[in-house]
Amino acid sequence: KNEVEQSPQNLTAQEGEFITINCSYSVGISALHWLQQHPGGGIVSLFMLSSGKKKHGRLIATINIQEKHSSLHITASHPRDSAVYICAAGGSQGNLIFGKGTKLSVKP
Amino acid sequence: DAGVTQSPTHLIKTRGQQVTLRCSPKSGHDTVSWYQQALGQGPQFIFQYYEEEERQRGNFPDRFSGHQFPNYSSELNVNALLLGDSALYLCASSLDRTDTQYFGPGTRLTVL
Repeated sequence: KNEVEQSPQNLTAQEGEFITINCSYSVGISALHWLQQHPGGGIVSLFMLSSGKKKHGRLIATINIQEKHSSLHITASHPRDSAVYICAAGGSQGNLIFGKGTKLSVKP
Repeated sequence: DAGVTQSPTHLIKTRGQQVTLRCSPKSGHDTVSWYQQALGQGPQFIFQYYEEEERQRGNFPDRFSGHQFPNYSSELNVNALLLGDSALYLCASSLDRTDTQYFGPGTRLTVL
C-alpha cells in the first residue's frame, strides 16, 4: 500500500462543476502539500497546510489530521484548471512523499 | 527575480554512461531537493542538500550522488545509467527544509 493515496486517478468534469480530489496518507506529517503539474512537467505549489482549511481564489484545501485525510476542492471549474493535481506528505525533515496524482480534464 | 532553473532541458544518454544535471535555486533559498518522476507516476525523493551537505536521502542507490556549491546551486550525478533511469528529474528549492518548495521545469533524461 502506498503511503499517500489519491482518488480519483482520473477525473473529467464540465466547465462550472464543483470538483473534489481526495488524499489519504499513512505517515506522520509536518504538513500536507497540494501541487499542480501541467503537461511538460512544471510543478506549482498550491497549498501547504497542517490543520484546518486554506482558500486561494477558487481553490480550497482541507485537512483532517485525526483521519489522515485531505481534500482539494475547485469551485466553478474552468478548462484552464485541467492539469495533474498531486498530494504530498511533508515529513519533519522536509522530504516530500508524493501521491500518483489525479489527472483532471475540464471540458468547455 | 528568477525562479528555479534547471539545465539541460532534455538529455539523451546510453546505458552505462554518466550524466550531470544542474539546478539553480530561487534567489534567497538555501535548500535544494531532487526528485525523480517516472512517466505516469508521482515524483520520488532522491536527496536534499543544505549548507553544501546531503541532509536527507531517499531510497536511491549510490549511483545517484549530488553536490551543493557555496552559491547554493546544486548538481545531480548519475553513474552507470540504466534504462530505468529514464525520467523527469525535478529540482526544488526552499528557504528551509519544511518550507514551501519551488520547483524547476525539470530535465527529461532518456537512456537508450
